[in-house]
Amino acid sequence: DTGVSQDPRHKITKRGQNVTFRCDPISEHNRLYWYRQTLGQGPEFLTYFQNEAQLEKSRLLSDRFSAERPKGSFSTLEIQRTEQGDSAMYLCASSWTLQETQYFGPGTRLLVL
Amino acid sequence: GEDVEQSLFLSVREGDSSVINCTYTDSSSTYLYWYKQEPGAGLQLLTYIFSNMDMKQDQRLTVLLNKKDKHLSLRIADTQTGDSAIYFCADAEDNQGGKLIFGQGTELSVKP
Repeated sequence: DTGVSQDPRHKITKRGQNVTFRCDPISEHNRLYWYRQTLGQGPEFLTYFQNEAQLEKSRLLSDRFSAERPKGSFSTLEIQRTEQGDSAMYLCASSWTLQETQYFGPGTRLLVL
Repeated sequence: GEDVEQSLFLSVREGDSSVINCTYTDSSSTYLYWYKQEPGAGLQLLTYIFSNMDMKQDQRLTVLLNKKDKHLSLRIADTQTGDSAIYFCADAEDNQGGKLIFGQGTELSVKP
């Protein structure tokens, strides 16, 4: 399967802990996006990369959120000092620069207790 | 900023056609999209339409775009119980690509 993959699929953590999620894009795609989806809402854009460059990060929800894509392949999204309000589905998508169409992974569902 | 709106619920009988509507406030994007999300799953790209087209047909799916009214619709012919899901329309926030803006989603319920 050459689709977008995310790991883990589910994460339960206690408030105050740090969590890190991984996304592996479709191999030939050079753009990678992170979105957050809360219950009953559509996905909300967080950040995106073209190759290893992070082109937009002003939409990250707070300075507790950070993302990296060090070698232009997989990406990680880290949330430090998690809060209950961080509970959501975190979605990753990838695309090829010259075509905007984004393909989504299965998501990581985070529950903060 | 860009805003995308959809009605929240639609219920149809199996075999009927479903029409899901979406309005957007502005579009400088090249494409507009429809995604499908089943419970607990990620988003599946259903179809998209190039912004200079009025209509696109793809098997049971028909997308209509009215740029003057900023209205997008998705018609599903011969709706099946397996079509029950949440459907999102999405538009790019600008013409640089990326940063999709999604509607709240329309929950489609198909009754046998």
